[in-house]
Amino acid sequence: GAVVSQHPSWVICKSGTSVKIECRSLDFQATTMFWYRQFPKQSLMLMATSNEGSKATYEQGVEKDKFLINHASLTLSTLTVTSAHPEDSSFYICSALPLGGAGSYYNEQFFGPGTRLTVL
Amino acid sequence: KQEVTQIPAALSVPEGENLVLNCSFTDSAIYNLQWFRQDPGKGLTSLLLIQSSQREQTSGRLNASLDKSSGRSTLYIAASQPGDSATYLCAVYSNSGYALNFGKGTSLLVTP
Repeated sequence: GAVVSQHPSWVICKSGTSVKIECRSLDFQATTMFWYRQFPKQSLMLMATSNEGSKATYEQGVEKDKFLINHASLTLSTLTVTSAHPEDSSFYICSALPLGGAGSYYNEQFFGPGTRLTVL
Repeated sequence: KQEVTQIPAALSVPEGENLVLNCSFTDSAIYNLQWFRQDPGKGLTSLLLIQSSQREQTSGRLNASLDKSSGRSTLYIAASQPGDSATYLCAVYSNSGYALNFGKGTSLLVTP
């Protein structure tokens, strides 16, 4: 149980285009999902917290107009990288917090497999 | 702001050795601490989660300990195998329960 999927697993796009990444909780509902970014040889950095039915909360330094987050249902959050540039190339990972703390431990997040974005 | 540090950054050991990975955090007011494994180009695999009230957790050849007062956790891997080669990440849940702060990881190579 507690499986999170991401789509696509990798994407290559031209500079200036927009890319949408989906994060789905497959066997549980999640009111809260998180988006992380990981540059090579670096740690995961939290970009934003996505709450179903409300606006996302962005971490300091993350441009909300560039990284659009939509959490339209209890099982789906999307991250859209608008007007992508080469410096946006990174590994994007989402995680989901089960509704009511249905994980093994209250507040345990379950992670998706990640999406590798390469902007040419 | 919580800062998580992992030492060493990289480690190479011959197969069969027991090894210890270290994680330290600056704010001891944590909720949980979790160890993950990440293979190159892949997502995260959860290894062990220790609640703040616990001192250790064990799973197979892995044992993780937590000392909140000193801001430290260790991951002990017994009888290492080449398949253990990966990056090991330590992550701390803040006292608010939701935010996760990650260390940069320890890159482990176990040679046959």
